[in-house]
Amino acid sequence: DAGVTQSPTHLIKTRGQQVTLRCSPISGHKSVSWYQQVLGQGPQFIFQYYEKEERGRGNFPDRFSARQFPNYSSELNVNALLLGDSALYLCASSLDGQGTPGYTFGSGTRLTVV
Amino acid sequence: DAKTTQPPSMDCAEGRAANLPCNHSTISGNEYVYWYRQIHSQGPQYIIHGLKNNETNEMASLIITEDRKSSTLILPHATLRDTAVYYCIVPRRSGYSTLTFGKGTMLLVSP
Repeated sequence: DAGVTQSPTHLIKTRGQQVTLRCSPISGHKSVSWYQQVLGQGPQFIFQYYEKEERGRGNFPDRFSARQFPNYSSELNVNALLLGDSALYLCASSLDGQGTPGYTFGSGTRLTVV
Repeated sequence: DAKTTQPPSMDCAEGRAANLPCNHSTISGNEYVYWYRQIHSQGPQYIIHGLKNNETNEMASLIITEDRKSSTLILPHATLRDTAVYYCIVPRRSGYSTLTFGKGTMLLVSP
């Protein structure tokens, strides 16, 4: 079985641009969460979606948005990119959003803003 | 989330047991303790979780004290591939669950 897949693996954007990151959860998993990991820090929660509805949102500005599709895949959008948005963006899937027995993470998308 | 405290770094010789401690003194009675690890440049990996009883799986053992205020993750025979940052997390549960990652413990396994 395929694990959590994220695309692209790396990308470089210019300040002010917009970016869309994609995530496909494990087959059968209905929940997708997004995390941002800045270099040297632990991942920070951005969003959780379950059955196409937003269940939770972390402390991130409105420039960050996401959605989940009927096939449970998800997109994370970031508008008006800032240098500080440079980070590893991680997607995690789970059956129900409770993370039981544990979330499965993808390898992430490395975003560099120049 | 219940706050967790871990040592910033630990060393372990290959083949020996690695014992990683975690304090979670504000944990509530129905909250689980989860352990994840993150190998450099990869996404975090779920290891094990527990509520009250000690747990063991193919990756590790989890020992939780009787008062549940601390726990220890045990890697019985550490290998070089176990070098990673280990996170002890008590997830927030309120309709949904999120993970609050602290700085974790950087475990360095040496030959």
